[in-house]
Amino acid sequence: SQKIEQNSEALNIQEGKTATLTCNYTNYSPAYLQWYRQDPGRGPVFLLLIRENEKEKRKERLKVTFDTTLKQSLFHITASQPADSATYLCALDRGNKLVFGAGTILRVKS
Amino acid sequence: KAGVTQTPRYLIKTRGQQVTLSCSPISGHRSVSWYQQTPGQGLQFLFEYFSETQRNKGNFPGRFSGRQFSNSRSEMNVSTLELGDSALYLCASSLVLAGDTDTQYFGPGTRLTVL
Repeated sequence: SQKIEQNSEALNIQEGKTATLTCNYTNYSPAYLQWYRQDPGRGPVFLLLIRENEKEKRKERLKVTFDTTLKQSLFHITASQPADSATYLCALDRGNKLVFGAGTILRVKS
Repeated sequence: KAGVTQTPRYLIKTRGQQVTLSCSPISGHRSVSWYQQTPGQGLQFLFEYFSETQRNKGNFPGRFSGRQFSNSRSEMNVSTLELGDSALYLCASSLVLAGDTDTQYFGPGTRLTVL
């Protein structure tokens, strides 16, 4: 069955550094992948979508890469700030529905 | 434009009871999806409705059901509640089919606690 893996441990980084989060998947070839941010007690918020034929996508301080050979997506936040602290979820399309990873907690310390 | 709204925000029920949760999508959005989020299982897809029809369904028992009205508002119902049903229930709306390249907009969720 399809499996999505994100860093199970929280990622702690210093303010100003680049945070890199990983999303690996198996047994499927999604047409696209999405990244969401979720704050405690709130619903996820869409950040970026990258399609299978795109290698990289950028939005302000965010960058996503998609390697269909490695079956991996990397999510980067440059010049990280304490306000970036949240849980980040990757989601893959699975035939008209999204399948989410468990998420990675990011903590940015000042 | 108002976001996705869910009511109630918090709910406490006892085992065996049933519960109905409500979701109002963003105006103009015709697709509504429901998810269950728990610490152990993460975000899991329940079902998706489009134009009052259930288009996709996740792997949940028949105790979980839903419907969509002509104004795109949606409700989900859980009957014969179990302790394991305690979770954050999230609703998401999108312009077209959920999971398509269109963005999903999530509501704040309903926190259900089953005692």
